Amino acid sequence: GAVVSQHPSWVICKSGTSVKIECRSLDFQATTMFWYRQFPKQSLMLMATSNEGSKATYEQGVEKDKFLINHASLTLSTLTVTSAHPEDSSFYICSARDALGGANVLTFGAGSRLTVL
Amino acid sequence: QKEVEQDPGPLSVPEGAIVSLNCTYSNSAFQYFMWYRQYSRKGPELLMYTYSSGNKEDGRFTAQVDKSSKYISLFIRDSQPSDSATYLCAMNTNAGKSTFGDGTTLTVKP
Repeated sequence: GAVVSQHPSWVICKSGTSVKIECRSLDFQATTMFWYRQFPKQSLMLMATSNEGSKATYEQGVEKDKFLINHASLTLSTLTVTSAHPEDSSFYICSARDALGGANVLTFGAGSRLTVL
Repeated sequence: QKEVEQDPGPLSVPEGAIVSLNCTYSNSAFQYFMWYRQYSRKGPELLMYTYSSGNKEDGRFTAQVDKSSKYISLFIRDSQPSDSATYLCAMNTNAGKSTFGDGTTLTVKP
């Protein structure tokens, strides 16, 4: 089945630094990937839709200059949290849909836990 | 009103019980209906998906979709402690992004 790899799984950084999270589709091509944020005991909050070769589409209230998304290839999207602050500490999850597969369902990465000191 | 409403839980059942998890929705254009299982500090894992109405069975899991009532269910038979997790329903149109329920946390006690 479809596999999405997310890296790193856990990162701790100092306030003011930038952190990059990678999302890779391992055995399929994904023209579209999605980035979510999840706080403890809450559901997924869609942050943005990452489109291969074009600009990401951000959800209302999500700062595009704060959360930079790059989808440079059909198998890789990156989320960079710029000038991170403690309030950015959260669980970030990506998902992807197989562009060539028959089923319109999402496969998720394992998530990346960001802690900003 | 949210597009997808999920029974909030939490749900606690003894081992071996039958579990019923439910969601309702308002968008009649939804065609794909998914159930994800999420363990603590992990990404959601796709359990099952159904296209349009009907039932689908996979081992101890059965997914039901009733489009006329805009109601979907996931049944877990012979529940096990390892089934303890948060279950998310999700649905989308043929081309659109997925819309998720808020999740139901299930605990199966040995």
